[in-house]
Amino acid sequence: DQQVKQNSPSLSVQEGRISILNCDYTNSMFDYFLWYKKYPAEGPTFLISISSIKDKNEDGRFTVFLNKSAKHLSLHIVPSQPGDSAVYFCAFNAGGTSYGKLTFGQGTILTVHP
Amino acid sequence: NAGVMQNPRHLVRRRGQEARLRCSPMKGHSHVYWYRQLPEEGLKFMVYLQKENIIDESGMPKERFSAEFPKEGPSILRIQQVVRGDSAAYFCASSPYDSWTEAFFGQGTRLTVV
Repeated sequence: DQQVKQNSPSLSVQEGRISILNCDYTNSMFDYFLWYKKYPAEGPTFLISISSIKDKNEDGRFTVFLNKSAKHLSLHIVPSQPGDSAVYFCAFNAGGTSYGKLTFGQGTILTVHP
Repeated sequence: NAGVMQNPRHLVRRRGQEARLRCSPMKGHSHVYWYRQLPEEGLKFMVYLQKENIIDESGMPKERFSAEFPKEGPSILRIQQVVRGDSAAYFCASSPYDSWTEAFFGQGTRLTVV
């Protein structure tokens, strides 16, 4: 039962361009949405989040968009930098910001070329 | 302030042996979460603990797996009689209270069962 899908296993982008990572979900109970970044041999690092009452949240080069009707979450990185190369996971919670039973996507490997 | 410390980083066990994975949360953090990442998959929730209490273990396999977070010392994830399918990366995260915006992951323990 895959409640979360990151359909693109990998994404390759030129430095300075926009990176767009996507997640689709099926569980209507999800009300808090997060993005994590993970380098090899390290744990995931929290990047940005959004609650279900919003449709957009911005933090510097990172913007998260939520389309509740389509059950679609996306992360935009502008401009992309080589240091952004990592695996990106979307994660979903049904308990707001609390109760850490997150459901993770499978991950998208982002490669940013100089 | 040291981050979430997991040890060992790599653990090799023969089938049938026991594996003990340790997680020392960040100073001041009393909430610990364990996640497992199988190859080519996202992280899957296993258990959520507070000091001396298991809050939610709905992601733990029914047999062979147990977790504790004693009043003193690290949280321990114990896997008895390991099988090849237990080979995975095990991550713990800690937070000062029940909030995912304040949680940090450790670097993980990679368990290999031979």
